[in-house]
Amino acid sequence: KNQVEQSPQSLIILEGKNCTLQCNYTVSPFSNLRWYKQDTGRGPVSLTIMTFSENTKSNGRYTATLDADTKQSSLHITASQLSDSASYICVVSDRGSTLGRLYFGRGTQLTVWP
Amino acid sequence: EPEVTQTPSHQVTQMGQEVILRCVPISNHLYFYWYRQILGQKVEFLVSFYNNEISEKSEIFDDQFSVERPDGSNFTLKIRSTKLEDSAMYFCASRTGGGYYEQYFGPGTRLTVT
Repeated sequence: KNQVEQSPQSLIILEGKNCTLQCNYTVSPFSNLRWYKQDTGRGPVSLTIMTFSENTKSNGRYTATLDADTKQSSLHITASQLSDSASYICVVSDRGSTLGRLYFGRGTQLTVWP
Repeated sequence: EPEVTQTPSHQVTQMGQEVILRCVPISNHLYFYWYRQILGQKVEFLVSFYNNEISEKSEIFDDQFSVERPDGSNFTLKIRSTKLEDSAMYFCASRTGGGYYEQYFGPGTRLTVT
C-alpha cells in the first residue's frame, strides 16, 4: 500500500534555531517527492520537488534531501522565523497513475516561538 | 502572479442536499485535481481530470461525486447528496504539464454538513 509517514508529528523551536523534519515513504513506482508548506486554513504551497536522481535541493532557508534507496527524505529549515510556523507536508508522486497521483503525509506541525 | 481560486470559501449545507464547489484553475493549465482534507487528517486525492474527462479517481470518489469543466475556465465538484462525513476542506489544484510539474493549490472551500 502506498503510504507516506512523517515525524515528528509536532515540533516547537525558538526563533533563529534550525530544525529537521523526516519523511519515509512506500510509494511505488516512485516519480518524485515534494515538500509543501500549509498555513492553517490555506492550500499547500510547494517548497521543493525532487526526482529519484536528486539527492538535495534548496529553496532559500529550506533544504530537502532524498535517499531513494532507503525511501527517506528530510527537510532542514535554517534560521527559523515566526512565519515558518505551519504544517510541513511530505508528498510523493507515483509513476503508475496517468497524471502522477499525489500521496500526502500527515504533516509535521512546526511552531516557532519568539 | 496567477493563482487558483475557489468559491465559496465556506459552505454550510444540510445532510442530503446537493452542493457544487467551484474552482477557477490557472488559465494555461491543462490538468485539474480535487483533494479533500478532513479536519486533523491528511490531504486525500479525489480525482484528476484532463482533456474533458476523468483520468483517475480514488475510492472516495463514489457515485455521489462528479466533476465538470462546463465553460473552459471553471472546474466544479458536485456532491449529489451530502453526508455528515463529507464535511472537510476541499482543495482544487491545477498544473500545466505532466508528472514532474508543480501542482498549484487553491485556498480551499470548507464544507460543513449539518
